[in-house]
Amino acid sequence: LAKTTQPISMDSYEGQEVNITCSHNNIATNDYITWYQQFPSQGPRFIIQGYKTKVTNEVASLFIPADRKSSTLSLPRVSLSDTAVYYCLVGDSNYQLIWGAGTKLIIKP
Amino acid sequence: DGGITQSPKYLFRKEGQNVTLSCEQNLNHDAMYWYRQDPGQGLRLIYYSQIVNDFQKGDIAEGYSVSREKKESFPLTVTSAQKNPTAFYLCASSASGTASSYEQYFGPGTRLTVT
Repeated sequence: LAKTTQPISMDSYEGQEVNITCSHNNIATNDYITWYQQFPSQGPRFIIQGYKTKVTNEVASLFIPADRKSSTLSLPRVSLSDTAVYYCLVGDSNYQLIWGAGTKLIIKP
Repeated sequence: DGGITQSPKYLFRKEGQNVTLSCEQNLNHDAMYWYRQDPGQGLRLIYYSQIVNDFQKGDIAEGYSVSREKKESFPLTVTSAQKNPTAFYLCASSASGTASSYEQYFGPGTRLTVT
């Protein structure tokens, strides 16, 4: 089973770009990398998913190096409302996702 | 609006009682999931179902039961056998297919307190 490691917490300021890196040394060939955002007492919300290189959508970018042993979620120009817990997940087979404790991101004014 | 509903948002029960948590989706998703989340922790998979009338145990299925009689519904019963049932319970759904299954849509959750 793939296992992910990400920082427990990070701080940044409004308007900055925030990069959260996740390590997944044992990622399997067929695994995808997915990031979720969770606010307190709410269900997680899908942010972005990728397999290799770079993926960009309207809220974030995901950078995956060639060896796929890590990935970086990039949030451009964060605001106070981006304060949340961010989860990096590596897809296991048969619909099972393995959730770590996530990274608590605090954005300061 | 398409989405997932869970009810109730807060639930209180006495120890020794079974309790059923509701989860309904109108996204036409084949797969549904139940997770448990404890304070400061990530999600842990209880059960998942890829198709109607079929479901599989997740990492922490002991003390829980589910049914999947309809595509839209995936109720979770927390039985008296669950030793520490107080937690935040989240239901999710996803489209079928390996990559699509990683994009899960979550309900608002049910916070269960057992005393």
